[in-house]
Amino acid sequence: QKEVEQDPGPLSVPEGAIVSLNCTYSNSAFQYFMWYRQYSRKGPELLMYTYSSGNKEDGRFTAQVDKSSKYISLFIRDSQPSDSATYLCAMSANAGGTSYGKLTFGQGTILTVHP
Amino acid sequence: NAGVMQNPRHLVRRRGQEARLRCSPMKGHSHVYWYRQLPEEGLKFMVYLQKENIIDESGMPKERFSAEFPKEGPSILRIQQVVRGDSAAYFCASSPRQSGGRTEAFFGQGTRLTVV
Repeated sequence: QKEVEQDPGPLSVPEGAIVSLNCTYSNSAFQYFMWYRQYSRKGPELLMYTYSSGNKEDGRFTAQVDKSSKYISLFIRDSQPSDSATYLCAMSANAGGTSYGKLTFGQGTILTVHP
Repeated sequence: NAGVMQNPRHLVRRRGQEARLRCSPMKGHSHVYWYRQLPEEGLKFMVYLQKENIIDESGMPKERFSAEFPKEGPSILRIQQVVRGDSAAYFCASSPRQSGGRTEAFFGQGTRLTVV
């Protein structure tokens, strides 16, 4: 079983739709949760960063973490064609010691928003 | 403020040759991480380095792969005697000295290695 599972999609939605992206994980030590966006043939770009359980909102993006269920989500409101990309969830166990910055990624979900 | 710089962007090597990938972290960042992305897969952690030290190399293949981050100059990921299975995108990320518990890694544009 992979430590982080993410539905690879692809996911295709019309412009203006609400998009829901999800990851599940098995490692209880994960405390830091991130979402990255990766355009084709580019490097991942950090979108959202969340520590432990709860919600975090930034513009059209909302990240949710439910540690009891080992489940994280990213919601995109009013989706735009420019949101078309691969979305990667990532997690780390702690931000100190030898695990600092070592991220475990999901497989990535390919999202297409069509006009 | 330049981001994480990786070069070359594309690298073609014949089987058995050596590949050297370079990464210059963002200004002020002292932590460097290397990841590999195989086709249709997510990024896999390879190694975490600080200046002149390898902190965590648990994701590095046991043979042919090595990494360094010298006191001066970029971090280097070196792959000896490349094989077709090494073809992938290699990404470098950097982060500042950690304080307050926040981890934030910034990625470069990657080096796409093709072994022919």
